[in-house]
Amino acid sequence: AQSVTQLGSHVSVSEGALVLLRCNYSSSVPPYLFWYVQYPNQGLQLLLKYTTGATLVKGINGFEAEFKKSETSFHLTKPSAHMSDAAEYFCAVHTNDYKLSFGAGTTVTVRA
Amino acid sequence: KAGVTQTPRYLIKTRGQQVTLSCSPISGHRSVSWYQQTPGQGLQFLFEYFSETQRNKGNFPGRFSGRQFSNSRSEMNVSTLELGDSALYLCASSWTGSDQPQHFGDGTRLSIL
Repeated sequence: AQSVTQLGSHVSVSEGALVLLRCNYSSSVPPYLFWYVQYPNQGLQLLLKYTTGATLVKGINGFEAEFKKSETSFHLTKPSAHMSDAAEYFCAVHTNDYKLSFGAGTTVTVRA
Repeated sequence: KAGVTQTPRYLIKTRGQQVTLSCSPISGHRSVSWYQQTPGQGLQFLFEYFSETQRNKGNFPGRFSGRQFSNSRSEMNVSTLELGDSALYLCASSWTGSDQPQHFGDGTRLSIL
């Protein structure tokens, strides 16, 4: 069975600083990996995805993530945080059973 | 193009009642999934439908059921509501399944009194 672990339930960064959100997965088969963002009172919005091919994936709003098979990781980064990045972020894995398994989420706050 | 539409947005019920939630996927999407989101358990998979067939079901009691219609619209039903069913219920659609980016609706917030 696949699972996702997000390290750190809360991350606080200064505006303009690096945002780093950690995600590790376990999967017995090559996974598809996703990062989603959720703003208050809204659903989830896709930031980026990894399926196959290039291991460095660029997404929307300046986010990117790198798939590292040897470390079973898919960490999300953004070089310079903006106030609008304050939200909850979820890492998710899909294998072959028509569902996504989500991590517990990381809440990002951005300090002015 | 219109996104995923979930109705109603908010719902208040009492214990023992039943409830039906509706989800209209993006036009052309044939896969619809449902998730329950709570502060304690996070996001948990309920079920997935494709062309009116349930392809997977999460670890929820039989009180939770769903269906998909020929136009890909989906409903989920929860019978004999319990306090622990209070949650945000999210619907997501995609062309063929969860290997593709899921497009989520804004959810139905269900509160049980």
